[in-house]
Amino acid sequence: DTAVSQTPKYLVTQMGNDKSIKCEQNLGHDTMYWYKQDSKKFLKIMFSYNNKELIINETVPNRFSPKSPDKAHLNLHINSLELGDSAVYFCASSQLRVENYGYTFGSGTRLTVV
Amino acid sequence: AQSVTQLDSQVPVFEEAPVELRCNYSSSVSVYLFWYVQYPNQGLQLLLKYLSGSTLVKGINGFEAEFNKSQTSFHLRKPSVHISDTAEYFCAVSDPGGNEKLTFGTGTRLTIIP
Repeated sequence: DTAVSQTPKYLVTQMGNDKSIKCEQNLGHDTMYWYKQDSKKFLKIMFSYNNKELIINETVPNRFSPKSPDKAHLNLHINSLELGDSAVYFCASSQLRVENYGYTFGSGTRLTVV
Repeated sequence: AQSVTQLDSQVPVFEEAPVELRCNYSSSVSVYLFWYVQYPNQGLQLLLKYLSGSTLVKGINGFEAEFNKSQTSFHLRKPSVHISDTAEYFCAVSDPGGNEKLTFGTGTRLTIIP
C-alpha cells in the first residue's frame, strides 16, 4: 500500500487552464503539506493543513487553492495556469509525536504548462 | 526563522571512495534534522534523521550523519560509495513545537565516477 499517493503523476496542460492535483495518505497523520520543486530542484513549502485546518500559507499566488475535505486528503487546485507554474509538486504528511516524528512524501506530480 | 545551507551543489566521487556532504543550519530554537535522497525522476526518500540523543545517526544504505550543535552542522557521510548512490541529496530542518514545516537546503548532486 502506498503511504502518500498523488494523482496524476504527469500533467501537461495549456496556459490559462485550471487543473487539480489530488493527494491521499493512509498513515493516519494529522498534518499534510504541499511543496513545490522548481527546475533547479529547490523545494519550498506552499501550504500545510492540520486536521483540515490551514496552518501554513506561504507566499503563493491566489491562483493556488488547497482543499482538505478530511485529514487524509489534501488537494491542490490551480487556476489560470502560467508557464512559471511548471514544476514538480510534492504532497507530504507528517507524524509529529516525538517518539515517531517524521515526514513522508508522495512521488510527485510533474506539471508542465505549455 | 530557520534556514539550511548546503555549500556544495555538486560532488563527484570515485566509486568505493568515501564521501561527505555538508549541511549547516541556522535556527534560534532547537531543531530536528533530516537527510533525504531523491533518485532521478523519483520522490523523496528519508535517509536518516536526528531528533535527540546520540549525535551520530545511522541511516539506510550505509549512510550516517553527525549532529554538531556548536558548529550547527549535520554532515552526511558514507565510507564507500556505489554507483547506485548517484542522486540528489537534501538536508532539511524542522522546528518542533513551532509551525513544524520542513525547510530544505538547495540540495547536493552526488555523482559517482566508475
